[in-house]
Amino acid sequence: DAGITQSPRHKVTETGTPVTLRCHQTENHRYMYWYRQDPGHGLRLIHYSYGVKDTDKGEVSDGYSVSRSKTEDFLLTLESATSSQTSVYFCAISESPGNTEAFFGQGTRLTVV
Amino acid sequence: TQLLEQSPQFLSIQEGENLTVYCNSSSVFSSLQWYRQEPGEGPVLLVTVVTGGEVKKLKRLTFQFGDARKDSSLHITAAQPGDTGLYLCAGARGSARQLTFGSGTQLTVLP
Repeated sequence: DAGITQSPRHKVTETGTPVTLRCHQTENHRYMYWYRQDPGHGLRLIHYSYGVKDTDKGEVSDGYSVSRSKTEDFLLTLESATSSQTSVYFCAISESPGNTEAFFGQGTRLTVV
Repeated sequence: TQLLEQSPQFLSIQEGENLTVYCNSSSVFSSLQWYRQEPGEGPVLLVTVVTGGEVKKLKRLTFQFGDARKDSSLHITAAQPGDTGLYLCAGARGSARQLTFGSGTQLTVLP
């Protein structure tokens, strides 16, 4: 199994509170991604990183920010959580987008009440 | 609007039947991947296709990339309950660094 760990695996938080999800990899892959998965929408890209301190927005980036200060860690922050951000969040890593396998973490189930 | 549209969204069939899942787009992709996801887990890669018209087989699964590299299909022969899962296509476009996923097809194979 690829060395990719998400934490926490489950979290319940209140509306308006900040939340940070962590993705840690031991594969030294350049690319890291944060997706959210909701019924009927497959996986939607939130933000991605193509190197340390190099990040860019995906299709559903509003309300989220990311940081990558080290190759192995990619953090996703919800500045002020809303109920619409209740979802399952997946981190993925790859050596290059598309032509090589993307490895996924086991997901974080976030509930905003 | 999703860049990659998958159909059908849900599919429930009996063991032994054949099925085809489609992944369509108006955009050209440099490569396209198919993943399968089981409950509580992240997606796992099944195959990558990179050449227009390419066909790849993985046991009872046959994957095809459209000639224009805008669409793909997954055909399963003699489906088994173990094939049950969420099937996702994903594409990379040109020099884009993003990997974009389709909306997914939830397949249930009944014994």
